Amino acid sequence: DTGVSQDPRHKITKRGQNVTFRCDPISEHNRLYWYRQTLGQGPEFLTYFQNEAQLEKSRLLSDRFSAERPKGSFSTLEIQRTEQGDSAMYLCASSLTFTSGGYNEQFFGPGTRLTVL
Amino acid sequence: DQQVKQNSPSLSVQEGRISILNCDYTNSMFDYFLWYKKYPAEGPTFLISISSIKDKNEDGRFTVFLNKSAKHLSLHIVPSQPGDSAVYFCAASAGYSGGSNYKLTFGKGTLLTVNP
Repeated sequence: DTGVSQDPRHKITKRGQNVTFRCDPISEHNRLYWYRQTLGQGPEFLTYFQNEAQLEKSRLLSDRFSAERPKGSFSTLEIQRTEQGDSAMYLCASSLTFTSGGYNEQFFGPGTRLTVL
Repeated sequence: DQQVKQNSPSLSVQEGRISILNCDYTNSMFDYFLWYKKYPAEGPTFLISISSIKDKNEDGRFTVFLNKSAKHLSLHIVPSQPGDSAVYFCAASAGYSGGSNYKLTFGKGTLLTVNP
């Protein structure tokens, strides 16, 4: 399977613990995105990378959140000191980029469902 | 403030009939629009898209219409099949003509149920 993969698929943690999620994009895609989806809402943009550079962070991404893409391939999203409000589905997506503009569809992974008790 | 709105949380249609899902947007900077389908426990799957230079795009049973003056788009599925039952998200992006074409803004989704 050559789609976007995410690990773990489910994570249950206690409030105050740290959690880390991993995303492996489609191999030739140079852009990688993180979104968060809560119940009854559509996905909300968190941050994105072009290769290893993190180019944009949403105001939703508090100081407790950090994302990395060290070699321009897989990415990790860490949440420190989790709160119950962090409970959500965390989605990763990837796409190609045309230097001349245009749009490339983002392909999503299955998501990591986080439950903070 | 919701920049992309899907005002119908759910829609139920009979197999073989047309499904019409609607989406409104408020940000005039949006110039590229997409529809994604999502099954439970899976990530969104890209369905069809349209840029603001067009008013219609068709792909098999799926057609997206864009009315820029009304800031409205719709997805038509003809004929509808039970396997189409899923949540459909409308999404929009700015910067198609170059630059920051990265972030998708999603609506809340519409649950489509196609009854056999």
